[in-house]
Amino acid sequence: SYELTQPPSVSVSPGQTASITCSGDKLEDKYASWYQQKPGQSPVLVIYQDSKGPSGIPERFSGSNSGNTATLTISGTQAMDEADYYCQAWDSSTAIFGGGTKLTVL
Amino acid sequence: EVQLVESGGGLVQPGGSLRLSCSASGFTFSSYTMHWVRQAPGKGLEYVSGISSKGGSIYYADSVKGRFTISRDNSKNSLYLQMSSLRAEDTAVYYCVRGSSSFDYWGQGTLVTVSS
Repeated sequence: SYELTQPPSVSVSPGQTASITCSGDKLEDKYASWYQQKPGQSPVLVIYQDSKGPSGIPERFSGSNSGNTATLTISGTQAMDEADYYCQAWDSSTAIFGGGTKLTVL
Repeated sequence: EVQLVESGGGLVQPGGSLRLSCSASGFTFSSYTMHWVRQAPGKGLEYVSGISSKGGSIYYADSVKGRFTISRDNSKNSLYLQMSSLRAEDTAVYYCVRGSSSFDYWGQGTLVTVSS
């Protein structure tokens, strides 16, 4: 079965750039989406179709997908960006989620 | 404003059944594919099931195939998940989610606890 692999944790200093990776076999052949989830809240879509930002999502969130890796980049990271982030793609009509990455802003 | 409100969660014994409902508002429900995604306590997101806008296509994760049934009533703007033969590992918050290639709106979730 298809798997997406994310690092369990990433740390970044305020104002710096955070990069969260998501790896899967030939992931570039699929669209990757990214979700942000803060404690006690439902997930929020922050990137879809590899690099598109939904309305209302700050422009500091961007995405890319090449080869076997999709990347979520947060430029000028703010304290409010501290959260769990999940990548997602489709395989055989089933949505696959990565295991999630806890982003710590310190 | 898009709203998805789940209901029907609760405590159920192993082997039991439960029916979750999701009431949708703020958009043309009959035009969208809908899904259920779950999250076990302290764990990540797991896809459960999806149904196309008119109900013609249905998808299940292997972990629930044969035990869960997804359905929808477009006249009532409602999505359902009938869960049977429940196991401890089905314990999770179940989210009602809108989307096609990505999941753009999520409900607040309803907690299902399977325990004796």
